[in-house]
Amino acid sequence: NAGVTQTPKFRVLKTGQSMTLLCAQDMNHEYMYWYRQDPGMGLRLIHYSVGEGTTAKGEVPDGYNVSRLKKQNFLLGLESAAPSQTSVYFCASSYQGVQAGELFFGEGSRLTVL
Amino acid sequence: SQQGEEDPQALSIQEGENATMNCSYKTSINNLQWYRQNSGRGLVHLILIRSNEREKHSGRLRVTLDTSKKSSSLLITASRAADTASYFCATGPSGSARQLTFGSGTQLTVLP
Repeated sequence: NAGVTQTPKFRVLKTGQSMTLLCAQDMNHEYMYWYRQDPGMGLRLIHYSVGEGTTAKGEVPDGYNVSRLKKQNFLLGLESAAPSQTSVYFCASSYQGVQAGELFFGEGSRLTVL
Repeated sequence: SQQGEEDPQALSIQEGENATMNCSYKTSINNLQWYRQNSGRGLVHLILIRSNEREKHSGRLRVTLDTSKKSSSLLITASRAADTASYFCATGPSGSARQLTFGSGTQLTVLP
């Protein structure tokens, strides 16, 4: 089992460019999440999904969009990248909601916006 | 906003010693989880303790939860160099909220 796979692992963008991060899970999990991790800030939730076709905003959603067209995939888009979006992005999934179960994380995608 | 706050921010110990990390939080929770992150890697779940539990063990890990003080501790016994990592607590909210909120972590270094 691959678990949670994120692509790409590294990306450098110029301000104003757009890109999409792909998260794929092979565990048949209902719930999927996108977090960003910044030094000294821990992980902050950007968007999440409780099932195919659903998305919801997390703590820091501005500047990002997401889609969950297939149960196994959760895409995170940046329409117009800004230097403040330089961060490490983590995707996670869970079988049950956070009130009952653990999260399984990908290895992260390191994004630098110049 | 961060729900959980770990203390200390950094901890350095010798191999074989015990390591204790603390987590404080602000609002009611359904559960509290601890995760480990090795440098440059994703987070890995260690243990989950529910709000009606006071203590839980998993191998060399012992977690306690005091809901009256809104705090938890993670004890790693007989530490090894391989335990060197960042450790995060995460709180699962009570009610209908669906977010797991992470603290800023404790960086543990175990010296051989």
